[in-house]
Amino acid sequence: GQQLNQSPQSMFIQEGEDVSMNCTSSSIFNTWLWYKQDPGEGPVLLIALYKAGELTSNGRLTAQFGITRKDSFLNISASIPSDVGIYFCAGHKSGTYKYIFGTGTRLKVLA
Amino acid sequence: NAGVTQTPKFQVLKTGQSMTLQCAQDMNHEYMSWYRQDPGMGLRLIHYSVGAGITDQGEVPNGYNVSRSTTEDFPLRLLSAAPSQTSVYFCASSFKSGSTNEKLFFGSGTQLSVL
Repeated sequence: GQQLNQSPQSMFIQEGEDVSMNCTSSSIFNTWLWYKQDPGEGPVLLIALYKAGELTSNGRLTAQFGITRKDSFLNISASIPSDVGIYFCAGHKSGTYKYIFGTGTRLKVLA
Repeated sequence: NAGVTQTPKFQVLKTGQSMTLQCAQDMNHEYMSWYRQDPGMGLRLIHYSVGAGITDQGEVPNGYNVSRSTTEDFPLRLLSAAPSQTSVYFCASSFKSGSTNEKLFFGSGTQLSVL
């Protein structure tokens, strides 16, 4: 099935560093969603974006809906050990029932 | 604040056995869906429902059945389990299907092993 391109695939960073990841698509979406998944758990919704150019924050997390509507970005500032996990994006088109998911970014934070 | 509840958390089956994975949501969501998550394959849609009495196939429906008799519940049935169905299964729901301002919420998953 279709997957969104997400990069980087994995990151090792030091505690306190900022992190950036992005998701790109060949299709236009009306909604971008960002999730975090911990081992053995389900994806947890972090941020939802609904307008091109929209910038939304959730604590230390900030996500942007790309102006072309074909990409989205997630930034984590001042990372902490509990940020470890897999982050992935999802795109959704209005009028459809389908969500397209990114391939995921595995984040490891070194204390 | 239950959200999407899945049971069981873990299950081991023998080839040919049948079982039902349960999913319930308490958010009055119209849209419910089942995904499987496999390494390197991401999340793949198995079946979905846009309301009670309405179900449809996703991209990997073979070997699975669903029904939606109530708004709250959306069970997934494996009629004759096969090793290829070893996976982690997630149920997900959203308020309305196909509209704007959607948010998709996931359950905590069922890890299924078929021997």
